[in-house]
Amino acid sequence: QSVLTQPPSASETPGQRVTISCSGSSSNIGSNTINWYQQLPGTAPKLLIYTNNQRPSGVPDRFSGSKSGTSASLAISGLQSEDEADYYCAAWDDSLNALVFGGGTKLTVL
Amino acid sequence: QVQLQESGPGLVKPSQTLSLTCTVSGGSISSGGYYWSWIRQHPGKGLEWIGYIYYSGSTYYNPSLKSLVSMSVDTSKNQFSLKLSSVTAADTAVYYCARGVVPAAITNYYYMDVWGKGTTVTVSS
Repeated sequence: QSVLTQPPSASETPGQRVTISCSGSSSNIGSNTINWYQQLPGTAPKLLIYTNNQRPSGVPDRFSGSKSGTSASLAISGLQSEDEADYYCAAWDDSLNALVFGGGTKLTVL
Repeated sequence: QVQLQESGPGLVKPSQTLSLTCTVSGGSISSGGYYWSWIRQHPGKGLEWIGYIYYSGSTYYNPSLKSLVSMSVDTSKNQFSLKLSSVTAADTAVYYCARGVVPAAITNYYYMDVWGKGTTVTVSS
């Protein structure tokens, strides 16, 4: 059972917008920043969003992050087939004194 | 462009010590400012953070693994290493090394911005 809770799956058709949620508590998302990683099939995770809503260089602006209270969301607009991947949220947990991840959300582009 | 590459045995016997090395290219570990990290992913599962080491040798381990984990850094070879002792089948996973960033020196805002490709380690007799 992951400390951060994500839906196990999400799906949408190409061109549409999808959001992936990440729910935590006051000891993690509520007091620290959230980061998102994309893991394409058979590859290593890649940083997608850092510090709640910042995109690293090279990440399309179709990807956006937000945080409110003890929850966060990743939004992907203009869905493309290459966006089909697992998405993980992560944040520091003050109670566990460790970086914790969500269980991951498998995104299917129909 | 910084790149990281994990290396080490793909098979480790139960109760032995798992040893992995991460070689950094395109940048110097000793330049400071980054936290050299290890993360693992059990087969078909999510990600688990193991810990990190700074170029000075200071470390921070996940408390859940702290008694079994040891990390070291060799700045002359631009490498950092992970040792996990007394392994069991539950330690079978893909192990990733990554470069960690601590924005504004606030440890709780830590994230990993560059990852290695990962190496699969199987624990079996």
